[in-house]
This record gives sequence, C-alpha cells and structure tokens, in this order.
Amino acid sequence: ETGVTQTPRHLVMGMTNKKSLKCEQHLGHNAMYWYKQSAKKPLELMFVYNFKEQTENNSVPSRFSPECPNSSHLFLHLHTLQPEDSALYLCASSQDGGGQPQHFGDGTRLSIL
Amino acid sequence: GQNIDQPTEMTATEGAIVQINCTYQTSGFNGLFWYQQHAGEAPTFLSYNVLDGLEEKGRFSSFLSRSKGYSYLLLKELQMKDSASYLCAVLGGSYIPTFGRGTSLIVHP
Repeated sequence: ETGVTQTPRHLVMGMTNKKSLKCEQHLGHNAMYWYKQSAKKPLELMFVYNFKEQTENNSVPSRFSPECPNSSHLFLHLHTLQPEDSALYLCASSQDGGGQPQHFGDGTRLSIL
Repeated sequence: GQNIDQPTEMTATEGAIVQINCTYQTSGFNGLFWYQQHAGEAPTFLSYNVLDGLEEKGRFSSFLSRSKGYSYLLLKELQMKDSASYLCAVLGGSYIPTFGRGTSLIVHP
C-alpha cells in the first residue's frame, strides 16, 4: 500500500476547463514533488516543495500552478491546458530535499480533449 | 546539464540473470537510484548507490563506477513478476534527481 495518495486517478478535460490534482502523503515527509510522465520520455520534474516552500520550478508553463498548504498536501491547478499536456502526472515525497529515496503515488492519467 | 542513457527494452527468460545498464554525464554527483515501475503503477525504490561498488539486496544488486559514469542493475532468478520498467535516476549537485527514459524488461517463460 502506497503512503502517497493521488486523486483523481483519471481525468478528462477540455482545453478551457479548470481542474485540480490532489496529492496527500502519510509518511511524515517534508519534501513533495510533481512529475510529468509521457510515453517514451523520461520522468520530467515539474515542481519541488521543501518544508512547504517551492524550491524548484523546472520552467513549467504558467497554465500549471502548484500549491502546497502544508507538508502533507500538494495540489496542481490546471487551466487552459493543451493536448500535449496529456500525460501521467506523478506526485512523490521524500524525507526532505536532500536526496533521499522518493515515494511515488499511482498518478493521475490526464487526457486533454 | 544532465544526460542519462539506458536501453529502451530488454527481454529475458524466467530463472535467468539480466543486467540493465545506465550511463550518465552530470554536473555534480550525489548518488544514483534505481526504481521499478509496473504498468499503471507508481515507481518503487529499489536501490541507492553513492560509493563505487556493488550493493546487494536479495535477488537485486546494483553497481556503481563514478569514474566511468556507469551503473547497472542485476536481477537474478528472474520471475514473471519482474516484467516492468526500470528507471535509473541520478542526483546531481543540486540533489534533484534526473531520470532516464527507463528500460522495459519483458520476462518470458
């Protein structure tokens, strides 16, 4: 059983919709991450939060907006997405941002119509 | 920048041994991870190497040579459930992991 829970598991949305992805970790970790996983491509790091502070934004378009209200919760707000944004979005956590192993959620499969 | 290279796909027979290689070029090095990802599931941590040498953990072992920018994951006594994607990830100087594309391993009877 994973200690990192993501909802929803699947999401289909139009390009003009606004939706949010949610991630919750029950491991007592202090660092949380958003990744994008597309077919045949490496996992792409999007954002990193360490002790609720954003420490990394990997040149992600502004149509993706992260929010980290506390160390256990992480959101990814989506607005005016493009078809190329269709992918699996994975959330991960680690003890802190110092390079410990990451624990991943099962991801949200996002499809943009 | 970072560059991680691993084979796209490998096949092996149940009961056999398979070695999955990973080569990397990074600015700074703080360790290398291997993760396993079954289709439709979360990646799960397998191993971490930061010093040269072999780390053994049951049927799985991981090797690192920092001078050669090279690692491998060795899977022994292969089982059908080992069919999965294996991800190599390198920690650069900023402690942010950079992932390779993953190696899809198919184990057949």
